[in-house]
Amino acid sequence: AQSVTQLGSHVSVSEGALVLLRCNYSSSVPPYLFWYVQYPNQGLQLLLKYTSAATLVKGINGFEAEFKKSETSFHLTKPSAHMSDAAEYFCAVVHGQAGTALIFGKGTTLSVSS
Amino acid sequence: ETGVTQTPRHLVMGMTNKKSLKCEQHLGHNAMYWYKQSAKKPLELMFVYNFKEQTENNSVPSRFSPECPNSSHLFLHLHTLQPEDSALYLCASSHPGQNSFEAFFGQGTRLTVV
Repeated sequence: AQSVTQLGSHVSVSEGALVLLRCNYSSSVPPYLFWYVQYPNQGLQLLLKYTSAATLVKGINGFEAEFKKSETSFHLTKPSAHMSDAAEYFCAVVHGQAGTALIFGKGTTLSVSS
Repeated sequence: ETGVTQTPRHLVMGMTNKKSLKCEQHLGHNAMYWYKQSAKKPLELMFVYNFKEQTENNSVPSRFSPECPNSSHLFLHLHTLQPEDSALYLCASSHPGQNSFEAFFGQGTRLTVV
């Protein structure tokens, strides 16, 4: 079955600094990959998705991610952090060859300081 | 209404109570999911329904009983729960037939078992 690993449970940046959240995947087939954001006591909101089209994927709120097959990575970046970006971020992959559900990483909490 | 709606948003129940969580999606999707999110563990997939049929039960205890009467509604019936079942329960839906697998989430039900 497919899986994802998020490196770093907590990332802290200053406002205006680069945001880099790391995700590595394990998949026996070409993966569908996703990044979601969750604000306190809310559901998950899709930031962006990779579905085997362009390897550089642009999402909402200025976020983007690059699919690198050679590194089995799908890291999330944003050039300049904003206070409103403070939240928990989840990387996800489709469950399996016949599965439809998403399997999530453990999440990374992003803190942004002024 | 649009999107995925979960009710109630908050629920406190005793260990001997029986309660139900409700999820409704207005997106025309054919797959629905229950996830559990607790402080100690990452997002855990509980149940998967495709076209009203349960296609996955991720070793969930029998005190959790799902029901999917149609493609738009999903219930989670709860009975004789334990305090460790306290968590945020998230419902999601998707339309895998369109080969996108993107999941749309409700805002969750915060369950406290006392």
